[in-house]
Amino acid sequence: RKEVEQDPGPFNVPEGATVAFNCTYSNSASQSFFWYRQDCRKEPKLLMSVYSSGNEDGRFTAQLNRASQYISLLIRDSKLSDSATYLCVVTGYNFNKFYFGSGTKLNVKP
Amino acid sequence: NAGVTQTPKFQVLKTGQSMTLQCAQDMNHEYMSWYRQDPGMGLRLIHYSVGAGITDQGEVPNGYNVSRSTTEDFPLRLLSAAPSQTSVYFCASSYSTGLAGVYEQYFGPGTRLTVT
Repeated sequence: RKEVEQDPGPFNVPEGATVAFNCTYSNSASQSFFWYRQDCRKEPKLLMSVYSSGNEDGRFTAQLNRASQYISLLIRDSKLSDSATYLCVVTGYNFNKFYFGSGTKLNVKP
Repeated sequence: NAGVTQTPKFQVLKTGQSMTLQCAQDMNHEYMSWYRQDPGMGLRLIHYSVGAGITDQGEVPNGYNVSRSTTEDFPLRLLSAAPSQTSVYFCASSYSTGLAGVYEQYFGPGTRLTVT
């Protein structure tokens, strides 16, 4: 069983739409949670950390549900520039081992 | 401040050849990792290091060696390349933000390796 599972998509949405991604993780001992963004043929870049109380950064909102072991990312007012693959990442009890989901592809269309 | 750098950007090897992928960071991060990314499989951890002189295996360590003699450098060695090692390799360094359990990770631009 994979440590982190994501719907690969693609999610095709018009500009201005709201879109949500979920991911599930298998290890209840996971300690830290993140969303990364990866553009085609580029390195992943940290989008935001996910805190237990949920957190927001502009148009992006992340939520963590430890009881159900899932993480969500909500993007409001989608822009063309949001088109990318979004990677869900968790750490185990060892904070320096990061486990990546295979990513969810988002296409924002005019 | 260059962040995380990797060389080479592209490499073609023949089966059985050996080579070293270089990774360096100038942010004084203690923690460094190597990943491979294959289509549909996400990033998988090969080896990681929590400081100079300390390394450990990740999910897919077979066929790869690492060492960490300095904080800055974390080279990945392919001992005898195989076609199954064709992949994109990313090096990353990470640090603690100070919040409990939160480490942020920064990636290099990647090395695209083809083994024929």
